Parts: sequence; C-alpha cells; structure tokens
Amino acid sequence: DAGITQSPRHKVTETGTPVTLRCHQTENHRYMYWYRQDPGHGLRLIHYSYGVKDTDKGEVSDGYSVSRSKTEDFLLTLESATSSQTSVYFCAISESQGALRTQYFGPGTRLTVL
Amino acid sequence: AQTVTQSQPEMSVQEAETVTLSCTYDTSESDYYLFWYKQPPSRQMILVIRQEAYKQQNATENRFSVNFQKAAKSFSLKISDSQLGDAAMYFCAYRSPNTGNQFYFGTGTSLTVIP
Repeated sequence: DAGITQSPRHKVTETGTPVTLRCHQTENHRYMYWYRQDPGHGLRLIHYSYGVKDTDKGEVSDGYSVSRSKTEDFLLTLESATSSQTSVYFCAISESQGALRTQYFGPGTRLTVL
Repeated sequence: AQTVTQSQPEMSVQEAETVTLSCTYDTSESDYYLFWYKQPPSRQMILVIRQEAYKQQNATENRFSVNFQKAAKSFSLKISDSQLGDAAMYFCAYRSPNTGNQFYFGTGTSLTVIP
C-alpha cells in the first residue's frame, strides 16, 4: 500500500470556521490531489499539485485553497466552511514517470459542517 | 473535460457467478489510460485494474478482466467467480496524458453480492 495518511480522519465544525485538512505521503511522488466524494457525483477534483509550491485548480475549487511547502505534505483549507462542503475528502498521489501513472488514495476524511 | 459515464448505479450478482459493470467515456484523444477502482465500506479506494488505450490486449488481474472497445469508447469490468468480498462501489476512471495527470471519475456502481 502507498504510504498516504490524512488527518484528521473525522471532523465536525460549524459554518464560517476555517478548516485545514492535511495529506502526508512517504512515497516522494511529485503529484498530489484533493478530491471530494458526494453521493451521485463520484470523485471530483478540487485542486492538485505538480511540485512544491506548484498547484492548480480542479473542477470544484471554489471555496478551497491549497498549499504545498514540502514534497510530502499537501494541505487543503476551507477558509470559511459552509454546509455544502460537508463531504468525504480524499487525497491521492501519483508518480511523475511511467505511462500508467496510477493514482493511489489516502483513507479519506469525513467532514461535517453544521 | 473528459466525461466518464457509469450507467448502472446498482448491480447485484449471486456468489460464484459472473458480473459485468459498464463504463463509457467521451474523448477526442487517441492515447489515454483507463482504470477501475473499488471502494468497499471501509471507504479506502483500491486499484483493481488498469488499461493503456494503445494496447489491444484486454487487461486481466486474477478474477478481474476488462473488455476494452476503443472505437465504442467502452471499458467494462468483468468479475468472475464473485465473492462476498467483492461487494463494494466500483469507479471507472480516465486519465489523459495531456492534463497534468488529472483523473476523471464516473459516478460509480454499487455491487451487491448475494450469498
């Protein structure tokens, strides 16, 4: 199994509060991703990173920001959480070399915004 | 953005039988990569099988195989000798070589295995 951890694993917060989710990898992979998973939508990309301090937006980036100051850590921040951001959040990593470049996923974080 | 469609929200199969999950995708690219992931109740996303579009031969991993029809843009997953542990949500995914390794996922098929 790829060495990917996410913290916290569960969080309950209130509307309007800032929230930061952390993804940590031990594989030294260049690419890291944040997805959210909601019923009927599958996984949707929020932001991704292709290197330290190099990030780009995904399909559903509004209301989210990210930072990557080290290869191993990728942070997702909800500046002011809303109920629509209640979801399960997955981090993923991917090799930068090789044709297949499979994505490997962390265990997920369940976030509830009241 | 590429679109991945899984038209079967739910499927069921008798234990030891065979089931096929469908996936279609929309793309104008000639070279790309396709994946099936399994998500059991633990929520962990597990890679099941992967296929490179330029390879004619269908990928196989033990009891899991794909039927890749490039012209039809179809990538179905066949599970043979179904086991209770195969019960999960299955996601089809597409990766373009041209969009920063971004994956595009279908909405998933929930598979129930009946003892």
